[in-house]
Amino acid sequence: EAQVTQNPRYLITVTGKKLTVTCSQNMNHEYMSWYRQDPGLGLRQIYYSMNVEVTDKGDVPEGYKVSRKEKRNFPLILESPSPNQTSLYFCASSLGGGLAGTYNEQFFGPGTRLTVL
Amino acid sequence: GIQVEQSPPDLILQEGANSTLRCNFSDSVNNLQWFHQNPWGQLINLFYIPSGTKQNGRLSATTVATERYSLLYISSSQTTDSGVYFCAVVREGTYKYIFGTGTRLKVLA
Repeated sequence: EAQVTQNPRYLITVTGKKLTVTCSQNMNHEYMSWYRQDPGLGLRQIYYSMNVEVTDKGDVPEGYKVSRKEKRNFPLILESPSPNQTSLYFCASSLGGGLAGTYNEQFFGPGTRLTVL
Repeated sequence: GIQVEQSPPDLILQEGANSTLRCNFSDSVNNLQWFHQNPWGQLINLFYIPSGTKQNGRLSATTVATERYSLLYISSSQTTDSGVYFCAVVREGTYKYIFGTGTRLKVLA
C-alpha cells in the first residue's frame, strides 16, 4: 500500500532531550516535507526536500533540523526541544515539488503529536 | 508572501444540505490541493486541482487560476463530512507550500 509513515505517533518528552521523528514513504517521491499544526495558526511548513541531499527552510525552521540521505526517509530532529515546540507534526511527500509542469499532489502521514514539558 | 484565505471560517449545516467553500490566494500558483481533516486529525486528500474542474462523488472542485480562487462544493452533506477543510498552494517559482486558514464544517443529523 502506497503510504507515508511517521513514528512515533505520540510522544511526551522533557525540555532539552534530543528527539527524532521518522518519516518514510514508499512511493518513490522526490519531494518530502514537514509541517506543524497549531490551534489558530493552521499548518505551517518547517522544512522541505526536493531530492536526496537537497533541503531548504520553510516558514518556521527555527529549532529543527532535517536530513535526506535516502530518497524514502526524511527524519525531523529536535536537538533541544522546548515547550513551544509542542504541536501536531505532519510529514508529506509528492512526486514533484510544486514547480509548473510536474505532478505535485502531496500525500500526508498520520501525524505525530508531540508534547514537550 | 502569498496570502491564502478561506471562507467561511465556520459552517453548520443540516444533513442533506449543499455548501460551497472558497479559497482565495493572492499570487500566481502552480499547485492547489483541497484536504479534509477529520475529527481524529487525519489529513485526507480530496482534490489535486491547479486548474479546471473535478468531481468525486458528492464533492467537486473548481480552480480559476487566472482569478486566483478555488471552490469546493459539497452536495447532500453527511455527518461524516464534518471536520476542517483546507486548501494548500505552492506559489509559482517556489517549492514552498502554504495552507489556507481552513473552514470548520459541522453537519448535524
